[in-house]
Amino acid sequence: DTAVSQTPKYLVTQMGNDKSIKCEQNLGHDTMYWYKQDSKKFLKIMFSYNNKELIINETVPNRFSPKSPDKAHLNLHINSLELGDSAVYFCASSHLAGPGYNEQFFGPGTRLTVL
Amino acid sequence: ELKVEQNPLFLSMQEGKNYTIYCNYSTTSDRLYWYRQDPGKSLESLFVLLSNGAVKQEGRLMASLDTKARLSTLHITAAVHDLSATYFCAVVPLIKAAGNKLTFGGGTRVLVKP
Repeated sequence: DTAVSQTPKYLVTQMGNDKSIKCEQNLGHDTMYWYKQDSKKFLKIMFSYNNKELIINETVPNRFSPKSPDKAHLNLHINSLELGDSAVYFCASSHLAGPGYNEQFFGPGTRLTVL
Repeated sequence: ELKVEQNPLFLSMQEGKNYTIYCNYSTTSDRLYWYRQDPGKSLESLFVLLSNGAVKQEGRLMASLDTKARLSTLHITAAVHDLSATYFCAVVPLIKAAGNKLTFGGGTRVLVKP
């Protein structure tokens, strides 16, 4: 019973292509996130959705477009891929507020390689 | 802008000895998290620290939080090979506008040698 799942796990593509990564969580959380981990292992948040509403939108090129069809799913579409987009992309989910630790649970990651 | 700094960035440990990883952050926060990441794997939550003076322990790992000093420590007791991994601290600022945005430290890569 995977809590946060992502597909695909690996993605190798050419510069200029468009690709999507999908994320699903079955934890009943109301908030989902995309993080990017670069080659130096540095993790940075990109986007967050709460109940299908965008609440965090960091300084990310507009080639990246997140979409949340419902609170259990968050997808990331990337247009015109560039070499610098190569990274591992992690999806995470949590409750946004209320009692509890608002602990974020991470998916397995999608390793994107742009050639 | 919130900055989170970990040190050291790399820690070579000998089995059986004790070590400490430090996490400093630059703004008021009421939540600090420690995560572990094995090579090629996801992030696994280790500890959630919510208040000043909070201390949590699990096995050979103990984490503490001093919100006044804006400092958290992760202490490793009698290191063993299985603890080799990269450890991240992450902070959520106190301001409501931050949502639940985690700002991560740069990570501490731990290698435990026999």
